[in-house]
Amino acid sequence: QVQLVESGGGLVKPGGSLRLACAASGFTFSDWYMSWIRQAPGKGLEWVAYISTSTTSDRTAYYADSVKGRFTISRDNAKNSLYLQMNSLRVEDTAVYYCARGHMWIQPWGQGALVTVSS
Amino acid sequence: DIVMTQSPDSLAVSLGEGATINCKSSQSVLDSSNNKNFLAWYQQKPGQPPKLLIYWASTRVSGVPDRFSGSGSGTDFTLTISSLQAEDVAVYYCQQYYGTPYTFGQGTKLEIK
Repeated sequence: QVQLVESGGGLVKPGGSLRLACAASGFTFSDWYMSWIRQAPGKGLEWVAYISTSTTSDRTAYYADSVKGRFTISRDNAKNSLYLQMNSLRVEDTAVYYCARGHMWIQPWGQGALVTVSS
Repeated sequence: DIVMTQSPDSLAVSLGEGATINCKSSQSVLDSSNNKNFLAWYQQKPGQPPKLLIYWASTRVSGVPDRFSGSGSGTDFTLTISSLQAEDVAVYYCQQYYGTPYTFGQGTKLEIK
């Protein structure tokens, strides 16, 4: 079955960096756009970034304005893996980060990785 | 940005009764070239990630019970649960994918009365 498993979450100080990874299985990873979506504690959902299926030369990525210039989404189709490099983290980036398949409607979602930004 | 506004924020319904959740977008999410509404609905149970229920405003995902249905067009959409079951207790979100940034409604919490 389709499975997405996030890793790399944790506690980081403001201004710090963290890299999330998502291991995908059960489907042809290279055929699908992939997304990161976050949910602050007790709050709603915010699209963070998505990345196209294309090879390195023409890959398309989208970023929310709130993370543009600080976060980088990438993928390794050979490893069936999705990544989110998060730099210059802010307290307001504290959230559960979901790896998800697709970029319009999303299904399925991983269980999420908690990122806490606090001093 | 397209703002998605759901109503009500919370809803309590008796088991077996129907439930209706509304979603309004700040601009149309209907693509007139293909007559498709770029609107999805998700269910999020406590401690779980969201689960896709409906896309293209009214297409039910395989395996989703047929008591769930989506309707509407343009800027006004509805998720209807025809006969509430205990397992339907959750927060429900609408989401537009007509234009970036793709945006979600604030969520509607559905409880048992």
